[in-house]
Amino acid sequence: DQQVKQNSPSLSVQEGRISILNCDYTNSMFDYFLWYKKYPAEGPTFLISISSIKDKNEDGRFTVFLNKSAKHLSLHIVPSQPGDSAVYFCAASESGSNYKLTFGKGTLLTVNP
Amino acid sequence: NAGVTQTPKFQVLKTGQSMTLQCAQDMNHEYMSWYRQDPGMGLRLIHYSVGAGITDQGEVPNGYNVSRSTTEDFPLRLLSAAPSQTSVYFCASGTGTTYEQYFGPGTRLTVT
Repeated sequence: DQQVKQNSPSLSVQEGRISILNCDYTNSMFDYFLWYKKYPAEGPTFLISISSIKDKNEDGRFTVFLNKSAKHLSLHIVPSQPGDSAVYFCAASESGSNYKLTFGKGTLLTVNP
Repeated sequence: NAGVTQTPKFQVLKTGQSMTLQCAQDMNHEYMSWYRQDPGMGLRLIHYSVGAGITDQGEVPNGYNVSRSTTEDFPLRLLSAAPSQTSVYFCASGTGTTYEQYFGPGTRLTVT
């Protein structure tokens, strides 16, 4: 039973365009969501997060949107750069359980020059 | 600050052998966790600790043992390695007040 779903295994975009990565969840107890970026042979690195009390959080080129009623979040990268090419993981945590993250399967983003 | 460090980077074991994956953090984080990543899968939680002397099971704990005698170290023990434990293992740490966890570079384990 997958509680965090990233239904697109891969995404390819042109440099300078927008990248949109999607994530759906089923557990209504999740109240904090994170995006991690992972390069090959490295550990995941934290990118951006959002609390369930917000619907948008922005950090430079990265914006995360949360639609609680649809149990859906998305990560927007504008403009996309070749260095953004990596696997992006969506993760979620229940209130009071910030030691336990539930991850999606990841989306491989390729940004073409 | 070295952050989260893991040793070894690579390991090959034969079925039935035991070994310990080391993890250390120098950020004085309360929380530490072990995850495994398999091809086409996200990271899955094996065991976690919310402080020295306190550990608990995650989603996939079978075949693994942990202990946490200090804040800095959180070793993961494979008691009798099986081919199903071939995976990449990540250790992570976090504070007790935020949700972000910081990951080590991983250990790639192959069990033949």
